[in-house]
Amino acid sequence: AQSVTQLDSQVPVFEEAPVELRCNYSSSVSVYLFWYVQYPNQGLQLLLKYLSGSTLVKGINGFEAEFNKSQTSFHLRKPSVHISDTAEYFCAVSESNFNKFYFGSGTKLNVKP
Amino acid sequence: EPEVTQTPSHQVTQMGQEVILHCVPISNHLYFYWYRQILGQKVEFLVSFYNNEISEKSEIFDDQFSVERPDGSNFTLKIRSTKLEDSAMYFCASSEVIGVGYGYTFGSGTRLTVV
Repeated sequence: AQSVTQLDSQVPVFEEAPVELRCNYSSSVSVYLFWYVQYPNQGLQLLLKYLSGSTLVKGINGFEAEFNKSQTSFHLRKPSVHISDTAEYFCAVSESNFNKFYFGSGTKLNVKP
Repeated sequence: EPEVTQTPSHQVTQMGQEVILHCVPISNHLYFYWYRQILGQKVEFLVSFYNNEISEKSEIFDDQFSVERPDGSNFTLKIRSTKLEDSAMYFCASSEVIGVGYGYTFGSGTRLTVV
């Protein structure tokens, strides 16, 4: 079975500072990795995904993530955050050809002015 | 950009009542899903549906839950006799092909409150 761990439930950060949201997973097989964002009172929006190829993945809104197979991690980074990045971020994994995600418990990013 | 549409956005129901949550998937998608997010907890897979039958369901999806595609556009989740612990955000999703890698799209969710 797969599991996803997001160690930080909340991350406060000042505007224009860099941020890293951590995600670790456990799986015995090759996986696909995703980051979703949920703005207040909205649904899940795909930020970026890793399916294969380059381990550094760039997504929307200036976010990027790096797949590290040896450390089973897929941390999300942004060099300079904006107030509008305040949201909850979910890491998710799936196996190829699987039709479902396993989600982490989420990290609430709070960007302060 | 095509969207998955869920209605209502918020539903309040009394314990023991039946509730139906509605979803309109993207028109050319063939695979449909429901997920649940209890407040403060993980988003959890409930069920997947393809070719008018359930293809996979989780342990959460017990006999009080059912899904249906009553016509060519809607995909519904029915909870027969709601319990307080069914209070959650329910997300519908759809995809054109099997697998999560391409085009798997979530709706904005229905917040169900059981009182």
